[in-house]
Amino acid sequence: KAGVTQTPRYLIKTRGQQVTLSCSPISGHRSVSWYQQTPGQGLQFLFEYFSETQRNKGNFPGRFSGRQFSNSRSEMNVSTLELGDSALYLCASSRGDRDGPQHFGDGTRLSIL
Amino acid sequence: EDQVTQSPEALRLQEGESSSLNCSYTVSGLRGLFWYRQDPGKGPEFLFTLYSAGEEKEKERLKATLTKKESFLHITAPKPEDSATYLCAVRGAETSGSRLTFGEGTQLTVNP
Repeated sequence: KAGVTQTPRYLIKTRGQQVTLSCSPISGHRSVSWYQQTPGQGLQFLFEYFSETQRNKGNFPGRFSGRQFSNSRSEMNVSTLELGDSALYLCASSRGDRDGPQHFGDGTRLSIL
Repeated sequence: EDQVTQSPEALRLQEGESSSLNCSYTVSGLRGLFWYRQDPGKGPEFLFTLYSAGEEKEKERLKATLTKKESFLHITAPKPEDSATYLCAVRGAETSGSRLTFGEGTQLTVNP
């Protein structure tokens, strides 16, 4: 069974640009969540999508947005990039029930110059 | 607000030297406590879910236990391949959806 797939694995951008990251969940999983991981802050929750609807949102500015398609694939967009956005962005999928675990992809490493 | 604190931040063991990692949590009703392992350059790999105090789960050299305020990850006779960062996360009753709150992790190094 294929795991969570994130593309691209690495990205280098400059300040002010925008970026789109992609996530394909495990087959049959309807929930996709996004996290930002940095050395100082650990894993911070960005948002969750379930059946194409955002059902949970973390404390990040509006520059961070996402969407989910009918096949459960998800994209995350960051506009007007700042140096502090450099991080590992992780996508996690789950069946979407209340108590099950999330399964993570290997992330997209975003570096802002 | 759900909170998770892990200790120690880093742990260095000799091969075969058993030890435990601690995860203290604060939630208003626990819907699940999750342990993950993360290797450098990789995403977190799911290990265990615990739901109620007294529950235990085992996998190879790892055993996770749960009380009402903390969880322990016991590592018995570790091998160098057990070296990784171990993350603890919780989901509270007031959390909507699948959102997890993570601790900072314990970086484990097992020397041969």
